[in-house]
Amino acid sequence: EAQVTQNPRYLITVTGKKLTVTCSQNMNHEYMSWYRQDPGLGLRQIYYSMNVEVTDKGDVPEGYKVSRKEKRNFPLILESPSPNQTSLYFCASSLGTSGGDTQYFGPGTRLTVL
Amino acid sequence: GENVEQHPSTLSVQEGDSAVIKCTYSDSASNYFPWYKQELGKRPQLIIDIRSNVGEKKDQRIAVTLNKTAKHFSLHITETQPEDSAVYFCAAYNNNDMRFGAGTRLTVKP
Repeated sequence: EAQVTQNPRYLITVTGKKLTVTCSQNMNHEYMSWYRQDPGLGLRQIYYSMNVEVTDKGDVPEGYKVSRKEKRNFPLILESPSPNQTSLYFCASSLGTSGGDTQYFGPGTRLTVL
Repeated sequence: GENVEQHPSTLSVQEGDSAVIKCTYSDSASNYFPWYKQELGKRPQLIIDIRSNVGEKKDQRIAVTLNKTAKHFSLHITETQPEDSAVYFCAAYNNNDMRFGAGTRLTVKP
């Protein structure tokens, strides 16, 4: 089944404890992206990747890192999480390199930073 | 950068009525405008999209219109059903940058 998966789905952590949220897609998509969703703010792009080893900042990159060592995986890293990073996170992928076509979202990761 | 505004933030309609959600964007270079539906606790899913070289697109009960001059686009849902109840997001895309509106919570009352 073609899909985007994320892990973990739920995470409660404490300020400063490094964490990684994994994202994987099995559709051979070129473009992958991370969003955070907060009430009243919609979806805001954190980072995106057009291809292996090619990543760039989105709208709200501060406090986050990403890597794209393989086409299928695009992990989101929070080196030192803070409470303002408490949010619902979505990974997405799309076929082309630009992101300007249908984006397929993962199931979401709800992160709470205490 | 691009700024997308979406209205209304909440919309309640009677089953069978039409629903219209409007979005405006600021960057005239934006060229792709998708709409996503997000049911409670679920992931966003694309329901319809339009590119800047087209003024209107229809898919059964759903249609999207684009006015490039005025920089606004709208989602139209006809003959609404309770299963249309969800949060709807518009987005505008240009040059690797996808900006979403804040969302509209649509409630369809049976």
